[in-house]
Amino acid sequence: EVQLVESGGGLIQPGGSLRLSCEASGFTVSRNYMSWVRQAPGKGLEWVTVIYSGSGTSYADSVKGRFTISRDNSKNTIYLQMNTLSVEDTAVYYCASSPVSGSSFYLDYWGLGTLVTVSS
Amino acid sequence: SYVLTQPPSVSVAPGRTASITCGGNNIGSKRVHWYQQRPGQAPVLVIHRDSDRPSGIPERFSGSSSGNTATLTISRVEAGDEADYYCQVWDSGSNHPVVFGGGTKLTVL
Repeated sequence: EVQLVESGGGLIQPGGSLRLSCEASGFTVSRNYMSWVRQAPGKGLEWVTVIYSGSGTSYADSVKGRFTISRDNSKNTIYLQMNTLSVEDTAVYYCASSPVSGSSFYLDYWGLGTLVTVSS
Repeated sequence: SYVLTQPPSVSVAPGRTASITCGGNNIGSKRVHWYQQRPGQAPVLVIHRDSDRPSGIPERFSGSSSGNTATLTISRVEAGDEADYYCQVWDSGSNHPVVFGGGTKLTVL
């Protein structure tokens, strides 16, 4: 059974840093595209970043230069390092997987999410 | 970057058919995916590649895409279908490759 479990969320002051983790089971993260998607309170889904199976990455403009996605194949886990956090980063952060495809990109499995609250 | 436009809300009576649209420039040339998000829950993929249903998704859910509009259709709507629905495409040539629509709240009357 495929499972994604996020952890690491919490309350952090503006300007601070936080690292989220997403541990996968039932499949191998290095053979899939892995994304972080966030949802601010009462708002829609916002794609944040992806790490491709070949380790290339892409980021939304809103987080570029502040957030870094990485992967530990030995732990079957992906991470999101978030620096210089602002109140606008307050959201539930979901980890999601995508099957490798040259013609489309969709998120077939999602974790339950972890809440990040940036507030003084 | 590519923009997807959804109506904020759609209402439908139980047993009727709901149609949720997703507009984008020449969206028919892209593969469109749809997610259902019930209150307090994580999103669930209900349609991928325009019209394919993942395992476990009822046949009542179907999708189509042509021109500048993609549509998610839910037949014989049930109370449990009340949720937010999001469309998504992959804009592969962009530095912002994964694009979501703003979401549509489906209300079952």
